[in-house]
Amino acid sequence: GAGVSQTPSNKVTEKGKYVELRCDPISGHTALYWYRQSLGQGPEFLIYFQGTGAADDSGLPNDRFFAVRPEGSVSTLKIQRTERGDSAVYLCASSPWRSSTDTQYFGPGTRLTVL
Amino acid sequence: AQSVAQPEDQVNVAEGNPLTVKCTYSVSGNPYLFWYVQYPNRGLQFLLKYITGDNLVKGSYGFEAEFNKSQTSFHLKKPSALVSDSALYFCAVRGGLKPGGADGLTFGKGTHLIIQP
Repeated sequence: GAGVSQTPSNKVTEKGKYVELRCDPISGHTALYWYRQSLGQGPEFLIYFQGTGAADDSGLPNDRFFAVRPEGSVSTLKIQRTERGDSAVYLCASSPWRSSTDTQYFGPGTRLTVL
Repeated sequence: AQSVAQPEDQVNVAEGNPLTVKCTYSVSGNPYLFWYVQYPNRGLQFLLKYITGDNLVKGSYGFEAEFNKSQTSFHLKKPSALVSDSALYFCAVRGGLKPGGADGLTFGKGTHLIIQP
């Protein structure tokens, strides 16, 4: 079946602009995660959704970052007033249920470049 | 807070030789441990996980990992390396004690595995 998909694959924007990154999880997966991977680093957790609600947003770096999942499937990560330090690959993952033992399946990522 | 250390930025192995990629962790409660592989310009692919039970876990592409509770380690291994195994490998941990279950994975910085023909 289809895996996790993310659009766009690449996004170039200017400092101060607003961007939206989209994630389509594996069909039927109720848990959805966003991570950020900076160059030379491992992914860092941003936010976790269980269904439509954000169950844990402790990884969001500041209030410029926001994510939604209004119908419990597709999720959008929104970044306001982008800064050069936001440049990274943003990864989305999904898992079948909200269990610590579930495997998270990752999408290919969106590479965000802020000029 | 939970953490993962991958002490080697790069591991070089000749094709056909056994390989080991090291990982140590720190977590409260029972650890749930994962290995992922990342190929250039692609997302993370799941290799294997340890939840409970047998300390030797077998995964995809002939990889296995050994959980050692006393040494808080979860090293990735393969008996005979292939050139196609060359990639970036990440170890990750999730603690099992948080109320409500799943929070995010905590990843190491990654280890570049280079298999020389």
